[in-house]
Amino acid sequence: GAGVSQSPSNKVTEKGKDVELRCDPISGHTALYWYRQSLGQGLEFLIYFQGNSAPDKSGLPSDRFSAERTGGSVSTLTIQRTQQEDSAVYLCASSLPRGPSGGIHEQFFGPGTRLTVL
Amino acid sequence: SQQGEEDPQALSIQEGENATMNCSYKTSINNLQWYRQNSGRGLVHLILIRSNEREKHSGRLRVTLDTSKKSSSLLITASRAADTASYFCATGPSGGYNKLIFGAGTRLAVHP
Repeated sequence: GAGVSQSPSNKVTEKGKDVELRCDPISGHTALYWYRQSLGQGLEFLIYFQGNSAPDKSGLPSDRFSAERTGGSVSTLTIQRTQQEDSAVYLCASSLPRGPSGGIHEQFFGPGTRLTVL
Repeated sequence: SQQGEEDPQALSIQEGENATMNCSYKTSINNLQWYRQNSGRGLVHLILIRSNEREKHSGRLRVTLDTSKKSSSLLITASRAADTASYFCATGPSGGYNKLIFGAGTRLAVHP
């Protein structure tokens, strides 16, 4: 079956431009997460969606970053006025929601979008 | 901010040898997961261990969890060149949704 897909796979932009990164989660996965990975580092949590709402935006590094999700499916991460420090791989993951008894489900990751800000 | 640390940061071994990677974390957790990443792109889920479990096996992988020491280890037995990758541990919190906090990873190189 189809996994999590992200587009574009690579994006090169000039400082100050806006970019949009897209994530298509696995069908039926109501939980969606965005992470960022700088070179040689682990993943840094950005934002979590349950359905179309984002109860946790605590990882967004500045107000230049925003994200939305529509129809409980596709999500878009937007970075306005990009800076060189925004250069990283942006990864999206989706999962089933936590079960009523607290059961945890695996997060499935997309291939990521490598963003380079010149 | 990252939850904890992994060690070693880099590990180089010969095919057939075992590889052991360690992960420490700081807060109480519901679960701990190990992921593999090739070439800095998508992550592949390897194994999940819950806080009430102490050891779990999957093929050539063995994961242990010691909640009293807030640490976990991943053992890959009889390593292969194809195991060359970065390995990350990630912890899930005790409550709410499963917001994973990742370590910085261990870069494993397995030489033929």
